[in-house]
Amino acid sequence: NAGVTQTPKFRILKIGQSMTLQCAQDMNHNYMYWYRQDPGMGLKLIYYSVGAGITDKGEVPNGYNVSRSTTEDFPLRLELAAPSQTSVYFCASSYATDSGGDGANVLTFGAGSRLTVL
Amino acid sequence: AQSVTQLDSQVPVFEEAPVELRCNYSSSVSVYLFWYVQYPNQGLQLLLKYLSGSTLVKGINGFEAEFNKSQTSFHLRKPSVHISDTAEYFCAVSDSGFGNEKLTFGTGTRLTIIP
Repeated sequence: NAGVTQTPKFRILKIGQSMTLQCAQDMNHNYMYWYRQDPGMGLKLIYYSVGAGITDKGEVPNGYNVSRSTTEDFPLRLELAAPSQTSVYFCASSYATDSGGDGANVLTFGAGSRLTVL
Repeated sequence: AQSVTQLDSQVPVFEEAPVELRCNYSSSVSVYLFWYVQYPNQGLQLLLKYLSGSTLVKGINGFEAEFNKSQTSFHLRKPSVHISDTAEYFCAVSDSGFGNEKLTFGTGTRLTIIP
């Protein structure tokens, strides 16, 4: 059981370049998320999805786009990379139902993708 | 809106000594509280959670936390730490048991264990 898999682990981009961070989960979770982690700032939610075909903005969505065509995959797209997007990006997933349940708010994280924009 | 404050950004502790990592929250509604741990070069993983019931919650690796509604706190404790506890610890709060998009993380506390 792989859990949440992120690729690539490391990437260096030049200003203005584009790229996609890939995220896949094999736990049949309905919720998926993208966070960025900056030193001393904790985690900030970029985008999230409550199921295939449904996405919504989080706290810091500017400069990013997402799609959710399948339950398993949730790629994050950076269209015009800027130095402010230098960060560690984490994908996560969880399973939630109408009644909440033990799985509510229990996120499974990927190992992270470290992105540097120069 | 909810928020989380972790008062200590770094906590050094000698091995086998006790430790407390502090977390305070603010929210206008009932809350659910969590501690996540991040080991070096890894993603976060759940340490423990409070949804309802007993205010003393036990988690993995000997950690426990106590929910104090009157002081709006959820401090994490361990009676005797080990080198392997070196990690960053994040407190998080949600005001909904359904709808995980409401999870708000604190800025983290880096726990360093001194041999």
